Amino acid sequence: DAKTTQPTSMDCAEGRAANLPCNHSTISGNEYVYWYRQIHSQGPQYIIHGLKNNETNEMASLIITEDRKSSTLILPHATLRDTAVYYCIVRGRTGTASKLTFGTGTRLQVTL
Amino acid sequence: DAMVIQNPRYQVTQFGKPVTLSCSQTLNHNVMYWYQQKSSQAPKLLFHYYDKDFNNEADTPDNFQSRRPNTSFCFLDIRSPGLGDAAMYLCATSRVALGENIQYFGAGTRLSVL
Repeated sequence: DAKTTQPTSMDCAEGRAANLPCNHSTISGNEYVYWYRQIHSQGPQYIIHGLKNNETNEMASLIITEDRKSSTLILPHATLRDTAVYYCIVRGRTGTASKLTFGTGTRLQVTL
Repeated sequence: DAMVIQNPRYQVTQFGKPVTLSCSQTLNHNVMYWYQQKSSQAPKLLFHYYDKDFNNEADTPDNFQSRRPNTSFCFLDIRSPGLGDAAMYLCATSRVALGENIQYFGAGTRLSVL
């Protein structure tokens, strides 16, 4: 699986959009970009994933650049409950089980 | 409703005393995973079961074992816990299908070794 690079930490004011970048310059054509988050003392939570098209669900939007070398997770209206570590993970499309290789992630602090 | 349930949430054991952590799921997923997460670090996969097939990570110590008696339950056994095994242990499940490999995590069991 391709390696990812994320900023160590970010701050965001409550009610504003949080834009979390991820670099995955070595991604290959069949690899998806997944985002998970981990709120303090809880298990990781799946947020969204995509291959090359932008994706949106009830939690967030995922914007993937045309060359697929980077992506941005957008939380449109951040709340204090969105304070967490956000992990960007690249993994292949597969019909067999495969592991999630977590990087260091971005610690997002949402403030009043 | 909790879909991946880990018990207990907190476990204290003594150095060298065997301990078992449990995980159950109501999702009927065919894959179950165990991760170890030490303080201020990212989760790290120990092993997983694909149906009844056990898959160990190359760097998982022999001290760690797992059992999956049926689809719903999976256990993590630590035969002789050391101080370095104190960590959060996370169970996850996934339904393997082409194009989808989303993992669902439990809340974790925090293990302390005295």
